[in-house]
Amino acid sequence: QVKLVESGGDLVKPGGSLRLSCAASGFNFGDYHMNWIRQAPGKGLEYISSIAFSATDTYYADSVKGRFAISRDNAKNSLYLHMNSLSVEDTAVYYCTRENYYRSDYWGQGTLVTVSS
Amino acid sequence: QSALTQPPSASGSPGQSVTISCTGTSSDVGGYEYVSWYQQHPGKAPKLMIYEVNKRPSGVPGRFSGSKFGNTASLTVSGLQAEDEADYYCSSAAVNKKVVFGGGTKLTVL
Repeated sequence: QVKLVESGGDLVKPGGSLRLSCAASGFNFGDYHMNWIRQAPGKGLEYISSIAFSATDTYYADSVKGRFAISRDNAKNSLYLHMNSLSVEDTAVYYCTRENYYRSDYWGQGTLVTVSS
Repeated sequence: QSALTQPPSASGSPGQSVTISCTGTSSDVGGYEYVSWYQQHPGKAPKLMIYEVNKRPSGVPGRFSGSKFGNTASLTVSGLQAEDEADYYCSSAAVNKKVVFGGGTKLTVL
């Protein structure tokens, strides 16, 4: 069955960096676009980044553009999110999702990123 | 502020029907047939309930249905059950933004 497992969430100081990973299994990873969606504590969902199946195209929400970078390694069935210049507003649970025509049909369990001094 | 507007709360008694709205613009909800709905229980990841306005993934009960008219999409839950109590989020494809979400609606089963 499809499984997405995020890792890498941690407590980091403002201005710091972090790399999130998502290990995919149960499907042909290289055939799907993938997304990162986050949820701040007590808040709604925010679509922040996506990457095409071949990594040729990427998308970033304005809130993370220039600070975050999405990448993937199809040989390792893995998705990544490199986060720089983190601020307290980036505190959230980060979900890795599989995209299927503008819908996230599978979600990981999420990984918590806390930005605090 | 979310791109799509949902009511913050909705409620109904067991067995009743409840409808949650999701209002956008012609650049998102009104312009695409790619509206989705997600259910999220506390502490859990969201789960896809409706896609492409009115299609249900395998395993989602038929009590859940979706529709769209103009710039407003709707999720209807018929025959409410206690386990339907959750937060519900709509999303839509959008011009220049890939995908946008609504702010979420907390559904309470009375």
